[in-house]
Amino acid sequence: GAGVSQSPSNKVTEKGKDVELRCDPISGHTALYWYRQSLGQGLEFLIYFQGNSAPDKSGLPSDRFSAERTGGSVSTLTIQRTQQEDSAVYLCASSSKLAGYNEQFFGPGTRLTVL
Amino acid sequence: AQSVTQPDIHITVSEGASLELRCNYSYGATPYLFWYVQSPGQGLQLLLKYFSGDTLVQGIKGFEAEFKRSQSSFNLRKPSVHWSDAAEYFCAVGLIQGAQKLVFGQGTRLTINP
Repeated sequence: GAGVSQSPSNKVTEKGKDVELRCDPISGHTALYWYRQSLGQGLEFLIYFQGNSAPDKSGLPSDRFSAERTGGSVSTLTIQRTQQEDSAVYLCASSSKLAGYNEQFFGPGTRLTVL
Repeated sequence: AQSVTQPDIHITVSEGASLELRCNYSYGATPYLFWYVQSPGQGLQLLLKYFSGDTLVQGIKGFEAEFKRSQSSFNLRKPSVHWSDAAEYFCAVGLIQGAQKLVFGQGTRLTINP
């Protein structure tokens, strides 16, 4: 079956612009996660959704970052007024209640470059 | 706070040689432990996981890992590496079973010499 997909695969934007990153989890996976992978910080957790609710958003670095999930499926991560330090690969993952959420399946990521 | 340390940023081994990648964690209780692999331009793929029971766990692609509580370690091993094993390897911990965030180590980049 289809895995986790993310779009766009690459995004180049200018400092100060807003960007939206999209994640399509595996069908039926109720849990969805966003992580950020950058050279200086490694892999960092951003936010976790269970259905459409976000019980843990402790990793969002500032109020410029927000995320939503609709219909228990697609999620969008929005970064407002982008800064150069936002340049990173943004990874999305999903997991299934049926499997006890024991494995997170990752998408290929969106590489964001802020000029 | 919980943390994961992968002491080796970059390791080079010859094809056919054995491999051990180190991972140490800091947490008061036994965490849930994972090893992921990331090939260039790809997402992360789960190699293996440990929750409880037998401390030697087998994973995909011929990898295994051993949980040692006394050393707070979860080292990844492979008896004979292949050129296709060149990738970045991440150790991760989760604090509870079930849906949870993962805390990752900094990663170890593995290079294979022919």
